[in-house]
Amino acid sequence: AQTVTQSQPEMSVQEAETVTLSCTYDTSESDYYLFWYKQPPSRQMILVIRQEAYKQQNATENRFSVNFQKAAKSFSLKISDSQLGDAAMYFCAYRAYNNNDMRFGAGTRLTVKP
Amino acid sequence: KAGVTQTPRYLIKTRGQQVTLSCSPISGHRSVSWYQQTPGQGLQFLFEYFSETQRNKGNFPGRFSGRQFSNSRSEMNVSTLELGDSALYLCASSLGANIQETQYFGPGTRLLVL
Repeated sequence: AQTVTQSQPEMSVQEAETVTLSCTYDTSESDYYLFWYKQPPSRQMILVIRQEAYKQQNATENRFSVNFQKAAKSFSLKISDSQLGDAAMYFCAYRAYNNNDMRFGAGTRLTVKP
Repeated sequence: KAGVTQTPRYLIKTRGQQVTLSCSPISGHRSVSWYQQTPGQGLQFLFEYFSETQRNKGNFPGRFSGRQFSNSRSEMNVSTLELGDSALYLCASSLGANIQETQYFGPGTRLLVL
C-alpha cells in the first residue's frame, strides 16, 4: 500500500523568510503524481503544486517549488518569501496511474509570523 | 465559473440515522471524488465517479455509498450512522478522470453524529 508521511505536524516561519515542508512516500509504482495542497483555516483546499514522477526537473510555481528525490521517495515543498496568507495546513498527496485514489499525508500546519 | 458546491454545509444527526450529502462539480467537470477528513485519520479517499460510474473506492464499509447523475452532480449516502462518522466530508471535481487532472475541492459538509 502506498503511504504518505509528513513528519512535521507544525512549522513556523517569519514573514519574508523561506520554509521547507517535508514529505516522504512509500510506493512500488514507477508512474505517479505527487501534489501539495493548501487548506487555509475554514477555507477550501487548493492545489499548490504538482510533480510528475517521470520528470526529473523540479516543479515550480512562483514562490513555491519542490525538491523531488525519486530514489529517496522524498517530495519537499519550499516556500520562498513567506507571506501571511501562506498560513494554512499543507497536505502532501500521492496518486498512482494504476490506482486512482489519492493518498494524503497527515498535514503540516504552517504559521507565518509577522 | 462557479466553484464546487456542497450542501448542506453543516449537519447534525443521531446514531442510527442515515444522511445524504450533495456535491455539484464545476460546470464541465465530469469526475467527482469524495473524501472524509477527521483529526485522527486525516484525509481518506472514499470513492470516485466519472460519467455516472464508480471508478474507484476506498477502504470504507458498505454503509458508505454514492452515485453520480447525468449532470455530473454527485451524492454520497451514509446509512446507520456511527459516532465515528463525524467528520468533514469533502468533494472534489476534475475535468476528466486522468490522475494528473487538478482536483478542485468544495468547502465540505461538516457532519456531527450525536
